[in-house]
Amino acid sequence: DQQVKQNSPSLSVQEGRISILNCDYTNSMFDYFLWYKKYPAEGPTFLISISSIKDKNEDGRFTVFLNKSAKHLSLHIVPSQPGDSAVYFCAAYRTGTASKLTFGTGTRLQVTL
Amino acid sequence: NAGVTQTPKFQVLKTGQSMTLQCAQDMNHNSMYWYRQDPGMGLRLIYYSASEGTTDKGEVPNGYNVSRLNKREFSLRLESAAPSQTSVYFCASTNPGGYEQYFGPGTRLTVT
Repeated sequence: DQQVKQNSPSLSVQEGRISILNCDYTNSMFDYFLWYKKYPAEGPTFLISISSIKDKNEDGRFTVFLNKSAKHLSLHIVPSQPGDSAVYFCAAYRTGTASKLTFGTGTRLQVTL
Repeated sequence: NAGVTQTPKFQVLKTGQSMTLQCAQDMNHNSMYWYRQDPGMGLRLIYYSASEGTTDKGEVPNGYNVSRLNKREFSLRLESAAPSQTSVYFCASTNPGGYEQYFGPGTRLTVT
């Protein structure tokens, strides 16, 4: 039973445009949601998170939106840059679970010139 | 401050061989984790250690064992490697009470 889903395996966006990466979840008990970025041959790095009591969190070019009623979150990157080309993982955390994260399958973003 | 380090970076094993993947963190984190990443499967938790002296199974523990050697080090052992264990393995750690995990660079393992 996959509790965190990223239904788009890949996305291609032109430089300067907006990238929107989507994530759906099934467990309403999750308290935090995170986005990780992963370059080839490197480990994932934390990008941005959002608490389940918020609906938006912004950090520079990156904004995460949470729609609890739809159990859906999205990561917006504006403007997209070639260095943003990477695999993005959505992850969810539930308090009291030894800080375990449940990851989605990832979306490969390619930002073209 | 090196963060999370993993050795080796690459390894090729024959079916039935054993090996241990090493992980160490210098951030004074209590909790440590082992994941595997396979195409189309995301990151799946193998084992974790909430604190020194404790270990627990994750989502895909079969074929693996772990040892939390001390607060800094958490190793993953494959006793009898199988081709299905061909994967990229990541170690991670987190602050006490935190949820943001910090990852090592990974070990790419191929079992032939």
